[in-house]
Order: sequence, then C-alpha cells, then structure tokens
Amino acid sequence: EIVLTQSPATLSLSPGERATLSCRASQSVRNFLAWYQQKPGQTPRLLIYDASNRATGVPARFSGSGSGTDFTLTISSLEPEDFAVYYCHQRARWPLPFGPGTKVEI
Amino acid sequence: EVQLVESGGGLVQPGGSLRLSCAASGFTFSDYWVTWVRQAPGKGVEWVANIKQDGSAEYYVDSVKGRFTISRDNAKSSLYLQMNSLRAEDTAVYFCVRDNCYASGACYGDYWGQGILVTVSS
Repeated sequence: EIVLTQSPATLSLSPGERATLSCRASQSVRNFLAWYQQKPGQTPRLLIYDASNRATGVPARFSGSGSGTDFTLTISSLEPEDFAVYYCHQRARWPLPFGPGTKVEI
Repeated sequence: EVQLVESGGGLVQPGGSLRLSCAASGFTFSDYWVTWVRQAPGKGVEWVANIKQDGSAEYYVDSVKGRFTISRDNAKSSLYLQMNSLRAEDTAVYFCVRDNCYASGACYGDYWGQGILVTVSS
C-alpha cells in the first residue's frame, strides 16, 4: 500500500509570497498524482492532475512538478483566497490514499 | 451543470447499518468511474471506495473491506454505499465524487457532492 506524506504540515506566509508544498510517496506513483485545495466549509477542488497539469479554470500561479516519489506544488505569489489546506492524492494503484494535507495560513 | 447529491446519512449505533445514495445529473453517469471519499470532523480527506463505469470492478480502502459495499445503477444515474458493522471511526462527512479520466489513463475526482454526515454513536 502506498503512503503519502506531506511537508510541512503548516506553512505560514504572507500574500505575495511564494509557497512550496511537498508530497512524497512511499513507492513510485509515476506521474499519477493530483493536488487538491480545500477551503473551510467547502469541498476539495482539483488543482493539478498527472503531477503537472492544471485543471480547468485553475490560475497559472499554481504549478505542479515531480515524478516517481517526490512532488511539489508551487504557488508563485499567494493571493488571499489561496489560504487553505492542500492535499496530494495518488492514482497509480489501489487503494488510492490522500496525503495528510498542508495548511497554508497567513 | 454537473450535480452530485448525497442522501441517506444520519445517526446510527455502533454495529448498525446505513445506505448512502448519490444522485448524479448533468453528465452521462455511465461514462465515469465514481468514488466515495470521507472526511472525519476536523480531519483530512480519506478515499473510501470506487467503482468502474459498468460496475465490473470495485476497490476499497482496507479499513472498510468486508463491511462496506459500493454499487451503482446506471439506469438511475445513482451511486450507493452500503455500510454495515459501523464503528465510531466511520463518523465522517461522505462525499460522492465523479472521476474524470485523462489522456494519461489516470482518473481524478473533478466534481464533488456537498457531502452527507454519518455519525456512529450510542
């Protein structure tokens, strides 16, 4: 079973700063990894699929990279609406766990 | 407009059963894998189970294997989750999710229902 770990657990930044979030898989998931954003009281929103492809309507300030076991979500310049929890999610093999999340806070 | 609406949640005693339903609209339900994801209060999201377009394959997280059964009725555009032998740790909001498959062959949840709360408590 693949286990995903995310770091840091919490990222304290200011609007305009760059955010770098990490996701590590216990074994290779090739590039079958997604990133989701969840704001309080809302459902998760797909941001990135296949490690580096932005989902429909996702702003260009969000980018994903990596393959195999190490992945990164980068937010180039934080907007106020970007403060949320971010989850990675592997789709390489069942079961399909999510990571524990990184909270991006002001 | 894609819509996924869950129903059937509520309060149940430990060891009891509950059946969740998800009514889908706005897309051709039979073309998509669909998934149940849950989120315990104040916790992260957890993938629970998913099922292939024609119902011929289904997969589960280890913690629910043998207790939960995912199923679908394409004629009714509906997804179900039969939950038996419920435990306190199954308490969560349960989301119905449409999986969109991309050119790579991998499928990712692109539309989520608003979720339904299941509380397991005596």
